[in-house]
This record gives sequence, C-alpha cells and structure tokens, in this order.
Amino acid sequence: NAGVMQNPRHLVRRRGQEARLRCSPMKGHSHVYWYRQLPEEGLKFMVYLQKENIIDESGMPKERFSAEFPKEGPSILRIQQVVRGDSAAYFCASSQDLKGDEQFFGPGTRLTVL
Amino acid sequence: GENVEQHPSTLSVQEGDSAVIKCTYSDSASNYFPWYKQELGKGPQLIIDIRSNVGEKKDQRIAVTLNKTAKHFSLHITETQPEDSAVYFCAAANQAGTALIFGKGTTLSVSS
Repeated sequence: NAGVMQNPRHLVRRRGQEARLRCSPMKGHSHVYWYRQLPEEGLKFMVYLQKENIIDESGMPKERFSAEFPKEGPSILRIQQVVRGDSAAYFCASSQDLKGDEQFFGPGTRLTVL
Repeated sequence: GENVEQHPSTLSVQEGDSAVIKCTYSDSASNYFPWYKQELGKGPQLIIDIRSNVGEKKDQRIAVTLNKTAKHFSLHITETQPEDSAVYFCAAANQAGTALIFGKGTTLSVSS
C-alpha cells in the first residue's frame, strides 16, 4: 500500500523561473495538505485541498503561489517567479477523514533557488 | 490563531534513559494533538496522537499525556535507543480542523 508520493525529490531553479511540485495522496485519501519547512524550523501550513476545491489557503503567500487538486491526477503546488527565499522543503500530507486528522506525510520536495 | 510552543529544542540522553518533550498550545478549541518523528532528509512520520477526550495514550515505549486545563501535552519515550535519535515535532489541529500547527521541534540524541 503506497504512501504519499511526491516528485521531484529535489528541484533546482534559477530566480524568476517556475517551480511545480507534485503530490499523490495515499490510496483512498481525498484530502491533501501542503506545508513548507525552512531550515531549522518546524512545518508551516500553506493550503488544504479536496478534489477540485481549495478549502483553506490561509497559509499561502498572496502572490506567486497557487495550488490545485484536479479530479484526475496529483495535487500541484506552483510557485511562479521563484526567489531565493522560496528555498525550502515542501511537504505534502494526505488524510482520509474530514477535519484533517491523522495526516500522513510524503518524503518532501527540496527546492533550491539559485 | 493557534500557536504551539515546544521545549526543549535539544535533548541528549544516554541509551536506556527516558526522554520527555513538552508542548503548550493557545487555542482551547483544539482537540487533536499528533506527534511526528523526522529523520534527516525524510518526511515527518506520525508516531502517536491523542484526542481531547483522553488524558493519556501509550504505544509500547511511547506515551503521550494531555492536560486540557493547562493546555499542554507531553511525549514520553522510555528505554531510549540510538534509533530514537531524530527531530520530534508536536502539533495541534486548528479550530476548523483544516490544518496542523507545529512546534519548532526537539532534536533528540541518544548515545550508546
């Protein structure tokens, strides 16, 4: 039973480029969450999505960041015009139940902006 | 919004000793408190959780206690082993249940 899958595991972008991070939830899970982890910091919530709907995006920066979870395919976190401050580990989690209980995390995508 | 404080930031113990990590939360409406273990280069792994209708929960060498009145919860690891060395994060669900708010983590080092 595969866990949460994320790709790529490592992503290098130059300033001004776009970064696309993908997340496939655990089988049977329809709730996806994105978190960002800066070096030596805890995880910060960004956005919570269900299929085709953004439920809570209170942690998303107002500009350049967007997320989607289409009916078919993985959830995508998109960062446009990346800056050095976007360098971080981005983790996706999924849950089966409403209310976000028991979130299971993927291995993360480590984004480096040169 | 919810805020979670975690202490200590680093903890070093000898193999076989116990380790205790403490967290406090600010939102009295929070009702779900998970603990995660993160090894270097990996994603957080859920190791135990507790809900607000329970005061204590155990799973082999790991236990979690919750004091709702004081708004704090703790992780207890007994008979520590070198493979317990990792960063441990506490978290609390926000009032809407749509997000986990994490503490800043505790780096546990178990020396043999």
